[in-house]
Amino acid sequence: DSGVTQTPKHLITATGQRVTLRCSPRSGDLSVYWYQQSLDQGLQFLIQYYNGEERAKGNILERFSAQQFPDLHSELNLSSLELGDSALYFCASSASGRVQSNEQFFGPGTRLTVL
Amino acid sequence: AQSVTQPDIHITVSEGASLELRCNYSYGATPYLFWYVQSPGQGLQLLLKYFSGDTLVQGIKGFEAEFKRSQSSFNLRKPSVHWSDAAEYFCAVGGDSNYQLIWGAGTKLIIKP
Repeated sequence: DSGVTQTPKHLITATGQRVTLRCSPRSGDLSVYWYQQSLDQGLQFLIQYYNGEERAKGNILERFSAQQFPDLHSELNLSSLELGDSALYFCASSASGRVQSNEQFFGPGTRLTVL
Repeated sequence: AQSVTQPDIHITVSEGASLELRCNYSYGATPYLFWYVQSPGQGLQLLLKYFSGDTLVQGIKGFEAEFKRSQSSFNLRKPSVHWSDAAEYFCAVGGDSNYQLIWGAGTKLIIKP
């Protein structure tokens, strides 16, 4: 158990809909990362927050957005869903925002299926 | 451009045999290198990391990796694999100027009984 929790574990929805994925980082970790893992794209970094502020952006679509709240939990919002958004979405956390300083601890993921 | 290449999509080895998973990177500065493992249905877990110093690093579960700057490689090794090592392995690189890691495509390890 990494200490990172993600809800829900599974989500099935229809095209055009909007969903929210939630992540609680390990106790004391200030940084949260979101990743998308699909069979054709592999593991893709989406976005990172550090202590409530956006720190780095990767291959995140404009239909997707995220935020980190004062209690440090984070939400990833996916809207106007398409079939191709079906994937496993991981959240990870680390103590700080620096790559070289900290290990990223991954949650178990949320499997999103868009029908 | 910064990139990480894991040239083997799948590798099959017999239980008890030795293992080497390849990772090559392209990075303009001093790299920080990582290997993560993803067991079926699980999130990723850090196996080992290299920041500086001894180029041979030891990790968890009996894994080790060697940083070779001249070859831009950070290959993962294990002298004798166990069935429980069947998983997907990811190499990643980062650096001082990055807040994010650059990930390889992963290598799926299959263990033959």
